[in-house]
Amino acid sequence: QKEVEQNSGPLSVPEGAIASLNCTYSDRVSQSFFWYRQYSGKSPELIMSIYSNGDKEDGRFTAQLNKASQYVSLLIRDSQPSDSATYLCAVKRAGSYQLTFGKGTKLSVIP
Amino acid sequence: GAVVSQHPSRVICKSGTSVKIECRSLDFQATTMFWYRQFPKQSLMLMATSNEGSKATYEQGVEKDKFLINHASLTLSTLTVTSAHPEDSSFYICSASWDGGHQETQYFGPGTRLLVL
Repeated sequence: QKEVEQNSGPLSVPEGAIASLNCTYSDRVSQSFFWYRQYSGKSPELIMSIYSNGDKEDGRFTAQLNKASQYVSLLIRDSQPSDSATYLCAVKRAGSYQLTFGKGTKLSVIP
Repeated sequence: GAVVSQHPSRVICKSGTSVKIECRSLDFQATTMFWYRQFPKQSLMLMATSNEGSKATYEQGVEKDKFLINHASLTLSTLTVTSAHPEDSSFYICSASWDGGHQETQYFGPGTRLLVL
């Protein structure tokens, strides 16, 4: 069974700090990796995608991928209260249209 | 770009009635659309995958005769919950992707909250 694991949290960080969200996956043929943000009562919103080992930066967000360790993470610098949400890690294997989602990590940024 | 809309955003219906939810890709042609269901405090559960012009592929445990999916065009997919019951009350979310897009990224609609009385 293909699994994506995330710590459910809640993860609490003070405003201005770095929030680190982690995700591991079991399917070695996974090809594409996504981070979605979901506010309470809303649908997921794409934050970052990453396909190659290493870091990918977009504004305050940095995604990190290590395929050998089957590990993907999301760093949020200068965390803001508006970043408080559930962050979903999603993985897609080569040749498939489907995403496998983790259960999400709830982040709370304390003013 | 990559905007997906859903209609209605919220629906309340009586038990036994059918409810149709529309999902539209507004600025791209969606070769594949997905329907998810999310219960409170739980993650997204994929219900079915549909490609334009062909029958939907349902996930295990999802009744295809109860959840009718039609993907008649590259911009529109519909989900009909037939003979809805209170246990069908949930947050239904569609997503869309297209061949040749960024590694087939899925873009989500805003969701439809269904309450069956």
